[in-house]
Amino acid sequence: AQTVTQSQPEMSVQEAETVTLSCTYDTSESDYYLFWYKQPPSRQMILVIRQEAYKQQNATENRFSVNFQKAAKSFSLKISDSQLGDAAMYFCAGEKLTFGTGTRLTIIP
Amino acid sequence: GAGVSQTPSNKVTEKGKYVELRCDPISGHTALYWYRQSLGQGPEFLIYFQGTGAADDSGLPNDRFFAVRPEGSVSTLKIQRTERGDSAVYLCASSLAPGGRYEQYFGPGTRLTVT
Repeated sequence: AQTVTQSQPEMSVQEAETVTLSCTYDTSESDYYLFWYKQPPSRQMILVIRQEAYKQQNATENRFSVNFQKAAKSFSLKISDSQLGDAAMYFCAGEKLTFGTGTRLTIIP
Repeated sequence: GAGVSQTPSNKVTEKGKYVELRCDPISGHTALYWYRQSLGQGPEFLIYFQGTGAADDSGLPNDRFFAVRPEGSVSTLKIQRTERGDSAVYLCASSLAPGGRYEQYFGPGTRLTVT
């Protein structure tokens, strides 16, 4: 089984600042994938970033990066230079098709 | 190209009625997933198809829920004897390859309201 936990229901950040969204997980697998998805208001869910567990290097996609701590089973998402368009629900997910409860990110102009 | 589409976008039905929700995946995507998302929650896995067959239906809550994908493309989620607790947004997603290791492309969802 694989469980994913997001403990921050809401976060806010000033535009152009950096914010980190937390996620912890539990799995019995040795190799696995983890994902962050973004769900903007009234829009479709899209993939933000994906991390493969056996890769030592943290995944990065432009302003989005992860801090993957395998031993601690932590998978946080860092958003740099936050923009108004980053406002959305963010979901952490595992490859066993399990999603966290989400973090609502608000960007303050 | 076209993304994942779902119809209808909204469905209001009375308790006890039967409903069908349709999903058109991205052309060429072999894997198709159904999720249910309640207000303020993350998506809850229901069923996953690889081609025409259900590879994993462990998330279906009970036998009132059933899904098909007869030709390996379009899928229909069927709910019999609807209950108020079935009210949620039903999301469909597809991926190029099977298994949860690949990016899923989501549709806009069908909002089901059972009165």
